[in-house]
Amino acid sequence: GAVVSQHPSWVICKSGTSVKIECRSLDFQATTMFWYRQFPKQSLMLMATSNEGSKATYEQGVEKDKFLINHASLTLSTLTVTSAHPEDSSFYICSASIRDLLNSPLHFGNGTRLTVT
Amino acid sequence: AQKITQTQPGMFVQEKEAVTLDCTYDTSDPSYGLFWYKQPSSGEMIFLIYQGSYDQQNATEGRYSLNFQKARKSANLVISASQLGDSAMYFCAMREAQAGTALIFGKGTTLSVSS
Repeated sequence: GAVVSQHPSWVICKSGTSVKIECRSLDFQATTMFWYRQFPKQSLMLMATSNEGSKATYEQGVEKDKFLINHASLTLSTLTVTSAHPEDSSFYICSASIRDLLNSPLHFGNGTRLTVT
Repeated sequence: AQKITQTQPGMFVQEKEAVTLDCTYDTSDPSYGLFWYKQPSSGEMIFLIYQGSYDQQNATEGRYSLNFQKARKSANLVISASQLGDSAMYFCAMREAQAGTALIFGKGTTLSVSS
């Protein structure tokens, strides 16, 4: 149980275009999902908290107009990187908990490797 | 200030030996949870073990155990009988009860297991 599916696994796009990444909880409902960004051999940095039916909460320094998050249902959150530039190239990974409890681990998707040329 | 500190960028261990990966944390919240994740080169994040701030005993899960020293604010991961498949990046993470439900991660430690 607790499977989180992320699509696509990798994407290459041209500078100036937009890319949408999907995150689905396959066997549980997630009122909250989290989006992280990871540069090679570095830590996971929380970008935003995605809440079903309401606006996402962005971490300091994350441009909300660049990284659009939509949590349309209890099983789907999307991250759209708008007007992508080479510096947006990174590994993006989503996650969710089965329960909003302190001891409930986050279950992660397999991540999306974005390369902007 | 960093909430999670992992001071070992890389660790090397021989197969079948035990290894300890260090993690210290900083919080003023009395209620918090500590997690360890493994990230192989494929990029997936694998949950290994959890320790709650009020847990009296150290957590164990198979070959993984957590050496929890609350007064020192440390939560070191111990992997016993290392295997080649343990080679990966390991992250310590914390969730504070008052900060919502996101996990804050340390910088990670790369573990290399050799035969």
